[in-house]
Amino acid sequence: DIVMTQTPLSLSVTPGQPASISCKSSQSLLHSDGKTYLYWYLQKPGQSPQLLIYEVSNRFSGVPDRFSGSGSGTDFTLKISRVEAEDVGVYYCMQSIQLPLIFGQGTKLEIK
Amino acid sequence: EVQLVESGGGLVKPGGSLRLSCAASGFTFSSYSMNWVRQAPGKGLEWVSSISSSSSYIYYADSVKGRFTISRDNAKNSLYLQMNSLRAEDTAVYYCARNRGLRDYMDVWGKGTTVTVSS
Repeated sequence: DIVMTQTPLSLSVTPGQPASISCKSSQSLLHSDGKTYLYWYLQKPGQSPQLLIYEVSNRFSGVPDRFSGSGSGTDFTLKISRVEAEDVGVYYCMQSIQLPLIFGQGTKLEIK
Repeated sequence: EVQLVESGGGLVKPGGSLRLSCAASGFTFSSYSMNWVRQAPGKGLEWVSSISSSSSYIYYADSVKGRFTISRDNAKNSLYLQMNSLRAEDTAVYYCARNRGLRDYMDVWGKGTTVTVSS
């Protein structure tokens, strides 16, 4: 199975400051079809997960442009340019290049 | 409005069975693959099972293989998860989520239904 490792597991950010979350996979997520099957989800407190980023760097519909994703192969990063109070929750990366689908452990973002 | 609504959760004894349902509305259910993802109390997300749009392809996590059965009824816009031989470690909130294809992003999630396995 692919292992997805997120760092840090928690971070506390002052509103208006940037935040960055790393996700590393134990195998390349680049498929022969040219797509890289890495997604980012946010689970706000008491809610179900919501999609933020698909295929490394594509913002899903309605996701603010302060969220951005980057990376390739096995190393990926989610960045929030200016954290807002509504960004609190747990962020998960997920791979779907092979089964089983695996989520990272999650990174809990709190506001200072 | 695109919506997924899970039901069927509850308290069950170890070794017991439960059938979860996920009712879809607001989109062409038969065009989407569907998934079950669970979250144990205070833990992260764990993929459980996936089924393709026409039920041709079905996959399970090793942790539930042989005990859980995913199915769907496109005429009823419904997804199911039959859970047998339940264990304490199956205690979790179970979410259904859709995606276009089995590798694609899950863009719509239900609010979840809680399963508690305890004596």
